[in-house]
Amino acid sequence: AQSVTQPDIHITVSEGASLELRCNYSYGATPYLFWYVQSPGQGLQLLLKYFSGDTLVQGIKGFEAEFKRSQSSFNLRKPSVHWSDAAEYFCAVVLMDSNYQLIWGAGTKLIIKP
Amino acid sequence: DAEITQSPRHKITETGRQVTLACHQTWNHNNMFWYRQDLGHGLRLIHYSYGVQDTNKGEVSDGYSVSRSNTEDLPLTLESAASSQTSVYFCASSVGGLTDTQYFGPGTRLTVL
Repeated sequence: AQSVTQPDIHITVSEGASLELRCNYSYGATPYLFWYVQSPGQGLQLLLKYFSGDTLVQGIKGFEAEFKRSQSSFNLRKPSVHWSDAAEYFCAVVLMDSNYQLIWGAGTKLIIKP
Repeated sequence: DAEITQSPRHKITETGRQVTLACHQTWNHNNMFWYRQDLGHGLRLIHYSYGVQDTNKGEVSDGYSVSRSNTEDLPLTLESAASSQTSVYFCASSVGGLTDTQYFGPGTRLTVL
């Protein structure tokens, strides 16, 4: 079955350090790929998305993500995190097959150390 | 500003009771979605609607129902609440289908005792 894996349940990063959150999917063709962020007590907000074209995608709040077809990955990065980035991050994938479904990863909680 | 609201934000109910969670959006989006969020599972789609009078079952639709009588609202009903339905529920809307950006409400935390 198709799936989306975010291998890290929690990640702790010092303020000012770089960040990489991992997302892998199992699907034969290139899906539509998304990263959303959920701040504490709030709904989700889109950070960025990838459909085609340049495999390095820029998003809001200084985030970027890179699609790597050979690794079936869509990892989210930020060069320098701020305390306000503490949140939960979700990767999501739309499979463009007969089921046409949206599958969400389980999320990665980002903790920022002062 | 356009927004999507959910009510109530918190609800405690008893097993067997019928519960309705409200979702109202002023984006004028055709597409609306209901998800539940449980620890370790991310978001799971319950029901969705692509327009007035249209409703579709998602991945975890058993025990839930929706109806779409206008563009703005998609209420979610738990016919007979069960403890397994204790969760946080999110409503979302979008212009396009699943490949389009979804705009989320703040969520409703439901506890079934």
